[in-house]
Amino acid sequence: EVQLVESGGGLVQPGGSLRLSCAASGFTFSSYSVNWVRQAPGKGLEWVSYISGSSNVIFYADSVKGRFTISRDNAKSSLYLQMNSLRAEDTAVYYCARLKSSYGYSMDYWGQGTLVTVSS
Amino acid sequence: EIVLTQSPGTLSLSPGERATLSCRASQSVSSSFLAWYQQKPGQAPRLLIYGASNRATGIPDRFSGSGSGTDFTLTISRLEPEDFAVYYCQDYDSSRLYTFGQGTKLEIK
Repeated sequence: EVQLVESGGGLVQPGGSLRLSCAASGFTFSSYSVNWVRQAPGKGLEWVSYISGSSNVIFYADSVKGRFTISRDNAKSSLYLQMNSLRAEDTAVYYCARLKSSYGYSMDYWGQGTLVTVSS
Repeated sequence: EIVLTQSPGTLSLSPGERATLSCRASQSVSSSFLAWYQQKPGQAPRLLIYGASNRATGIPDRFSGSGSGTDFTLTISRLEPEDFAVYYCQDYDSSRLYTFGQGTKLEIK
C-alpha cells in the first residue's frame, strides 16, 4: 500500500525556520518525482515545489523561491522541505504528493499533511 | 501566467442529481495534463480524473471529465452523499509546473 506521511510541522515565529519531512512506503520512491503542495486555512491548493526522482530537476513557486529548499534521500525513501525566513503567509497545511508520469504528471497519492503556523 | 477559473464557486444540489463543474483556462492548455481532485474537510485531496477524461484507479464511473483547449468539465452523473466536497482542477506545464483552480464547493441542497 502506497503511503506518504508528513511530519515536522508546528508553530514558528516570523523569520524562523522549519524542516518538513515526508516518509514514503509501498513503492519504489526513487522512481517517482514528488511535489510539496500547501493549503492555507480555508483556502485553495497552492503548488510549492517539485523534485525529480534523481534530484536533478527542481522547481519552486515564485512565492517560496530563495527561502525554501526541497531535497530527498532515496536510500531513506524520504522527502524534505527546508523552510527559512518564514512569513505569516506561509501558514498552511503542507502536503507531499507523488507524481505519476503516465497520469499526465498528476498527483495520484497524497500524505495527510502537516500544519505549519507562522506567528509571533 | 495561466489562471484556472472554476465555476460556480458553490453548487447546491440534492443526492441523485447531476453535477456539472467548469474549469476555464486563461490560455489553451494540453488536455493531457488537466486533472481534477476531490477534497473533503480535514482530508488530503484525492485524484479523480487525469488527462482531462481518464478516471484514476478506483474512481466510480459516475465521475467523468471532458473538454479541451480552455474549457474543461467535471460531471458527476448521480450524486451520492459522499460526493459533497470541494473539487479542484489542476494543470501541469513543463515550464510553469502546476496551477490549481480556486475550487468549487459542492454542497447538499
